[in-house]
Amino acid sequence: AQSVAQPEDQVNVAEGNPLTVKCTYSVSGNPYLFWYVQYPNRGLQFLLKYITGDNLVKGSYGFEAEFNKSQTSFHLKKPSALVSDSALYFCAVRDTGGGGSYIPTFGRGTSLIVHP
Amino acid sequence: GAVVSQHPSRVICKSGTSVKIECRSLDFQATTMFWYRQFPKQSLMLMATSNEGSKATYEQGVEKDKFLINHASLTLSTLTVTSAHPEDSSFYICSARVGGGEETQYFGPGTRLLVL
Repeated sequence: AQSVAQPEDQVNVAEGNPLTVKCTYSVSGNPYLFWYVQYPNRGLQFLLKYITGDNLVKGSYGFEAEFNKSQTSFHLKKPSALVSDSALYFCAVRDTGGGGSYIPTFGRGTSLIVHP
Repeated sequence: GAVVSQHPSRVICKSGTSVKIECRSLDFQATTMFWYRQFPKQSLMLMATSNEGSKATYEQGVEKDKFLINHASLTLSTLTVTSAHPEDSSFYICSARVGGGEETQYFGPGTRLLVL
């Protein structure tokens, strides 16, 4: 079975400071991992994904995420936060192992608030 | 590229009426489309998955006679909320996936349904 956890409902950071939004997952095989961002009253926008290859994945708007197999994590990071980064962030996982689904499971979301 | 549109963006209807929401992939062919429901400050709830030309697969607890899904072409899927009631008021989001190994889901902007 596949599952994903976003342990923080909300993350607060000052503009210009680095930000981290946490995501951990559980799979039986190899994971496909995704980050999406949702602005108010909008659908989700794709940020980045890890399928295979380099553990550090770079995505849109200066975001990056590091796949850590030993810690089963895929934390989203940005070196310098902007007020416009304030939004709801979703992590998703798909298990490519025998017990997985071809449909990703989404985390419950983390609200990122960047203060001026 | 990879744009998904939804129409309408907002709809207000009287209890007992039916509402149809369209989801279109504008610049790619979507072998699979997904319909989600999102409650305020909550994660996405997958309602159903549809593949072009075949019946939709509904998640447990989702009434297929209540939420009719049609995926008539590779670029269009529709969700019809039949005999809508106030408890059906929600934010409905569709997403589309190309398939063939491309894992990324591309989301529509969402439809806000309010049933009076």
